[in-house]
Amino acid sequence: DADVTQTPRNRITKTGKRIMLECSQTKGHDRMYWYRQDPGLGLRLIYYSFDVKDINKGEISDGYSVSRQAQAKFSLSLESAIPNQTALYFCATSDATGGTYEQYFGPGTRLTVT
Amino acid sequence: GNSVTQMEGPVTLSEEAFLTINCTYTATGYPSLFWYVQYPGEGLQLLLKATKADDKGSNKGFEATYRKETTSFHLEKGSVQVSDSAVYFCALLGVQGAQKLVFGQGTRLTINP
Repeated sequence: DADVTQTPRNRITKTGKRIMLECSQTKGHDRMYWYRQDPGLGLRLIYYSFDVKDINKGEISDGYSVSRQAQAKFSLSLESAIPNQTALYFCATSDATGGTYEQYFGPGTRLTVT
Repeated sequence: GNSVTQMEGPVTLSEEAFLTINCTYTATGYPSLFWYVQYPGEGLQLLLKATKADDKGSNKGFEATYRKETTSFHLEKGSVQVSDSAVYFCALLGVQGAQKLVFGQGTRLTINP
């Protein structure tokens, strides 16, 4: 079984709809992240969380919100989806122990907003 | 702030060719440097890393050396295969503030048989 899972893998939604993307991990890591990937722009950080009670904005948090329901679960919500939120979304986890902070990525969710 | 610049793609090579993908960075202090690879339809996987100056990361025939003097971390492979076709991302982890990865824009590599 994959260590970092994302649901759904693909989603098409309409402008103005609320949508939630979910991420679960079995790695036991304390840190979780949400990124979006757009062609030619690499990955950009939306939100990150270093533990259940810690939520931080990344570089492109406008229009998004997150919830860290448990150490293993980190959800990303689009309250009112718009077409320029069409992108590939990745969840990632990392472990602060050991000092390497290597991040492990989920398979991604392809979101299309029409 | 921290930033990463990669050579623009796409890059197309023939099998067994030599590969270089350039990566330079701007950061305060001594960041950790990474190369991630994204195969079609998949998430990112760590390919290799280096955590201090002059370190060489290596994996699957790929290598990259952390050059502090030129602020570079170029990815190389001596003989590429069709299975190396993917998107490659250079990234850094800063030493100050929150430990967040900063990614380059990615380089799409296609290897033709």
